[in-house]
Amino acid sequence: TQLLEQSPQFLSIQEGENLTVYCNSSSVFSSLQWYRQEPGEGPVLLVTVVTGGEVKKLKRLTFQFGDARKDSSLHITAAQPGDTGLYLCAGASGNEKLTFGTGTRLTIIP
Amino acid sequence: DAGVIQSPRHEVTEMGQEVTLRCKPISGHNSLFWYRQTMMRGLELLIYFNNNVPIDDSGMPEDRFSAKMPNASFSTLKIQPSEPRDSAVYFCASTPWGRNYGYTFGSGTRLTVV
Repeated sequence: TQLLEQSPQFLSIQEGENLTVYCNSSSVFSSLQWYRQEPGEGPVLLVTVVTGGEVKKLKRLTFQFGDARKDSSLHITAAQPGDTGLYLCAGASGNEKLTFGTGTRLTIIP
Repeated sequence: DAGVIQSPRHEVTEMGQEVTLRCKPISGHNSLFWYRQTMMRGLELLIYFNNNVPIDDSGMPEDRFSAKMPNASFSTLKIQPSEPRDSAVYFCASTPWGRNYGYTFGSGTRLTVV
């Protein structure tokens, strides 16, 4: 069974601060995706990274795929209350089935 | 496109009753997934279909759970009989064929079994 561990599990910071969320596994993935989920809704795709070492930016969010394709990080610069939510990483390997991480619940305090 | 549509949004039922959850995927998406989300276990894949054919049902908890996809625009997840431990949010997601495409999730069905 492939496991994706995310850290921290919970994070509460002030508006304007920077933060990094980690997604780690002992398995190699062909691609990795990040989702954000808000209360009462399903997860929404933020980004897909495919190549080891790849870095993608989405406004204030920076995503990196580890060189060995086993881990990933999400960095948020100058966090805003709208960034609040549950962040989920998900790894794909060989087929369409995604394995989701344990999640990081982020709260940005105004 | 209206996205992935799930119904009902909320379901409260008594233990032992049959529960049917419904999903309409995005038109043109070949693959459909059923997930269950709880605080303790996170998002768990129950079953997924490709071109209406079940590919992997290893996540289905037990025989009380069954899923069907009679056509490309409709799928059901049935629990019979339901038990309190089945209480969770059930999500349906769809995607075009190809592993680099992300999933589009529905808004989920919150099931409470009392």
